[in-house]
Amino acid sequence: DTGVSQNPRHKITKRGQNVTFRCDPISEHNRLYWYRQTLGQGPEFLTYFQNEAQLEKSRLLSDRFSAERPKGSFSTLEIQRTEQGDSAMYLCASSSIPGSRYTFGSGTRLTVV
Amino acid sequence: TQLLEQSPQFLSIQEGENLTVYCNSSSVFSSLQWYRQEPGEGPVLLVTVVTGGEVKKLKRLTFQFGDARKDSSLHITAAQPGDTGLYLCAGYTGTASKLTFGTGTRLQVTL
Repeated sequence: DTGVSQNPRHKITKRGQNVTFRCDPISEHNRLYWYRQTLGQGPEFLTYFQNEAQLEKSRLLSDRFSAERPKGSFSTLEIQRTEQGDSAMYLCASSSIPGSRYTFGSGTRLTVV
Repeated sequence: TQLLEQSPQFLSIQEGENLTVYCNSSSVFSSLQWYRQEPGEGPVLLVTVVTGGEVKKLKRLTFQFGDARKDSSLHITAAQPGDTGLYLCAGYTGTASKLTFGTGTRLQVTL
């Protein structure tokens, strides 16, 4: 068990470009969550997968955001036409039971210039 | 919208002092968790409280869940520089699959 892995750790992109982040959860965990965190604030929920099914999406997840978990294992989060307001830390977490321990990855820090 | 309000937002104390962080909500939670996050890393779970009025101790850290399961507190005794970090409470309602995180309390402990 190597924990939750997120790649890349850092991404700097120009406004208007598309970016994609990857999350590899703990292999036994069937639940996967994406959160966004701005400096000094608590994480805000974006979306949630149970196996390959995307069961919940936040209103924060605009049409420019899309997430997939095609085989119920790793997940990707894509942001199209990035805006400066998208600059944040994007955190992925996984768990095996609802409400139980979340194991977080180290996050991907996105900077849109 | 953050449903869990934490106070204080920022706390700077000297080594050896005691402190309490509060987590308040108008919602009832079936369980509440506390995490600590260091810069550039993801949050790490410290404790989960489930029963109203429950008190859990983790070395110098004492966690309490309110009787009505709407609030919680974290008390640190004799703070050390290693306690420095962002402390987050997170509630689980049971009707939604996700954790809702608090606004965070940034603690800085200096020598």
